[in-house]
Parts: sequence; structure tokens; C-alpha cells
Amino acid sequence: DQQVKQNSPSLSVQEGRISILNCDYTNSMFDYFLWYKKYPAEGPTFLISISSIKDKNEDGRFTVFLNKSAKHLSLHIVPSQPGDSAVYFCAASVSNTGKLIFGQGTTLQVKP
Amino acid sequence: GAGVSQSPSNKVTEKGKDVELRCDPISGHTALYWYRQSLGQGLEFLIYFQGNSAPDKSGLPSDRFSAERTGGSVSTLTIQRTQQEDSAVYLCASSHDRDEPQHFGDGTRLSIL
Repeated sequence: DQQVKQNSPSLSVQEGRISILNCDYTNSMFDYFLWYKKYPAEGPTFLISISSIKDKNEDGRFTVFLNKSAKHLSLHIVPSQPGDSAVYFCAASVSNTGKLIFGQGTTLQVKP
Repeated sequence: GAGVSQSPSNKVTEKGKDVELRCDPISGHTALYWYRQSLGQGLEFLIYFQGNSAPDKSGLPSDRFSAERTGGSVSTLTIQRTQQEDSAVYLCASSHDRDEPQHFGDGTRLSIL
């Protein structure tokens, strides 16, 4: 039972345009959501998070949107840069449990 | 060091052997986690340590897997009688507290022949 799903295995965008990565979840108890970026042979790097009391959080070029009623979150990267090319994972947790439940990842390719 | 450190970075062993993987968390982080990533999959939670509390072992796939965290710092993940399906990248993470972002090491790539 996949509680966190990233339905697009890959995404290709042109440099300078917006990248939108999507994530859906099924467990309504999740109240903390994160996005990680991963390069080959490296561990995931934390990008941005959002708690369920908010619907938007912004950090530089990265913005995460949360739609609780739809159980959907998205990561917007604007403008996209070639260095953003990596695998992006969304993750969710229930407060005080510690453990993160990850999606399968979306490979983003930003073309120069 | 500044980040989470894991060793070894790669481990190749024969089926049936025991392996030990080590994790050095970020200094001062009270929470430590182990995950694994099989080929083409997302990260799968294994075990979580928080301070002196009993660990959450709910993600361990079988009783061949165990983990310890000594002195609230370094952790070792032990896999006994390894099987081919244990082949994966094992990732360790730590966080300042349990509801804060987790910071990952680069993982140990385990290959069982």
C-alpha cells in the first residue's frame, strides 16, 4: 500500500521555465511534508518542508503548495536551472512518529 | 564532521554472511534514522532512535535485521545471514529533533552475491 505517490517518473523542462513536481498521499494523518533532491551516489538533500497548518511555503526559487482536501502537494521550481537536474522525492510524516514515508521519486531534467 | 557520515561506502559480501553498517550522525542531533533504497524504489523506513527512548523498529523487514545506538551517537545496523534481496543502498539520517528535517548521509551500497 503506497501511502505517498509520485505518479510521474520523469519530467523534462527547458532552462528558465517552471518545473512542477507532484505528489499525492492517502493517509489523512500526515501533517508534515518535505521535498528532497538526490544526485547519483549521494544521499538525499533536504529542500523545503511544509506543515499541514499552511498551504504554501516559499524558499528562494522553491515553493511547496499543499492541498489538504485533495491530499496533494507540489513543488514549483522557478526559474529552473540545469543544476536542478536530479531525482526529487516527496516525503510525509505524522507528528511525533519520526519516520518519513517517501514517494518513488521523479527524475527532473532541465535542458540548457 | 559537518554532515552524517556512513561507512563503508560500498560493501560486497557473500550470501549468508553477516554485515555491519555504521552511521555517525550530526553532532547534537538527538534523532537517528535508518532507511534503505532498493533499485528504482523510494526510501523505505527501517528504524528510528530518539534520545534514550526505546527505538521504533516497525520498519525492520525481518529478525535478521537489528540496530544499536551507543551513547546516543554512533549507530550500527547489523544484517545477519544476508540474502540477495538485502542488496540495496542503506541510508542513515539524523535530525535535531523528531519533527525537524532529516539530514542524510551518502549511504552504504550493499551487494549480496
